[in-house]
Amino acid sequence: NAGVTQTPKFRILKIGQSMTLQCTQDMNHNYMYWYRQDPGMGLKLIYYSVGAGITDKGEVPNGYNVSRSTTEDFPLRLELAAPSQTSVYFCASSRGTGEGEQYFGPGTRLTVT
Amino acid sequence: DAKTTQPPSMDCAEGRAANLPCNHSTISGNEYVYWYRQIHSQGPQYIIHGLKNNETNEMASLIITEDRKSSTLILPHATLRDTAVYYCIVRGGNTNAGKSTFGDGTTLTVKP
Repeated sequence: NAGVTQTPKFRILKIGQSMTLQCTQDMNHNYMYWYRQDPGMGLKLIYYSVGAGITDKGEVPNGYNVSRSTTEDFPLRLELAAPSQTSVYFCASSRGTGEGEQYFGPGTRLTVT
Repeated sequence: DAKTTQPPSMDCAEGRAANLPCNHSTISGNEYVYWYRQIHSQGPQYIIHGLKNNETNEMASLIITEDRKSSTLILPHATLRDTAVYYCIVRGGNTNAGKSTFGDGTTLTVKP
């Protein structure tokens, strides 16, 4: 199993541009998550999904959108990029929320200038 | 979900046990305690989790107090490669799928 994969690894955006961060998992997990991590800080939850077609907001959803059309994929869309969105973005998946550890991808480092 | 409190940093001598504490005084009955670690800027890595009983695996041991308001992660023989940020979080119940939070964690530095 590849686990959780994310693309791209690095990206530089200009202010106002848009992009989609891709996330795919091959473990047939129902739950998927997007986090952002600013330098020296912990992870903050942006959006999560409990299954195909079902998504919900986390702590910091403003400026982002998600969709979940399949079990495997959970893309994160940035519209009108702002410097405050400069961060490292991690995707994760889990079998459940109670007894089910999260598996994290390698991250996407995004810079908005 | 319950919030957690961890010391910002700790040091440990190589070969000695590292004991990392976590307070989760508002934990509810169906919430598990999870520990993860993050080395450099990699994605967090799962270490161990527990509900009520103490747990042990090949990486670490988890001691949960009887009232479940705090826990301790034990790395029995710390190595330089255990230098990382360690996160304690609580998660549980299908109604709380998105509410578990990662605080700022404890930066463990293992010294030769």
